[in-house]
Amino acid sequence: AQTVTQSQPEMSVQEAETVTLSCTYDTSESDYYLFWYKQPPSRQMILVIRQEAYKQQNATENRFSVNFQKAAKSFSLKISDSQLGDAAMYFCAYKGASGGGADGLTFGKGTHLIIQP
Amino acid sequence: DTAVSQTPKYLVTQMGNDKSIKCEQNLGHDTMYWYKQDSKKFLKIMFSYNNKELIINETVPNRFSPKSPDKAHLNLHINSLELGDSAVYFCASSQTPGQASSTDTQYFGPGTRLTVL
Repeated sequence: AQTVTQSQPEMSVQEAETVTLSCTYDTSESDYYLFWYKQPPSRQMILVIRQEAYKQQNATENRFSVNFQKAAKSFSLKISDSQLGDAAMYFCAYKGASGGGADGLTFGKGTHLIIQP
Repeated sequence: DTAVSQTPKYLVTQMGNDKSIKCEQNLGHDTMYWYKQDSKKFLKIMFSYNNKELIINETVPNRFSPKSPDKAHLNLHINSLELGDSAVYFCASSQTPGQASSTDTQYFGPGTRLTVL
């Protein structure tokens, strides 16, 4: 079974600084997808960024970028120029590509990101 | 327009009751999911369903049952509610990989907070 590990239960960063959230995963599959979701206090799950395992290029969405290391099974999220609105729980998630499309996401336990003004 | 909607957003009920949570998506997706988020914020897949198959997480009690009247709806029925069922339940949807414009990304509803007294 796949597992996703987020080793940082909580992180704190000063506004405008850069922070990196860690995520590692375990799988025997060669093709899969990785995601970062944000959950603010409103509890809505918001997609931040996604990465296909077959793509070597790291995904980027504005201030959010990932460092995808397939051999190391690592998928960290970097947030540049942190803003107060970035404060939230961040979840790393995995989805295999071989399950026919109906597989659910496997989530890590989350990292609570605090932004200090 | 809300992409994935759930009703109700809050549900408070007594132990032993039967209740339902409704989910609708207007994204034209063909796969829908139910997730449970416990008090420690851990998210776990309960069911995934498309027009071909229902995949049930083996840890889900058979008191929980998904019902899909059509492709845009996947409702969650819970019989004989127990204290441990208290959680936030999320519905999500995605398009099966291989279909046109599929990104295999799951989009989440706002969640339903269920409290069993």
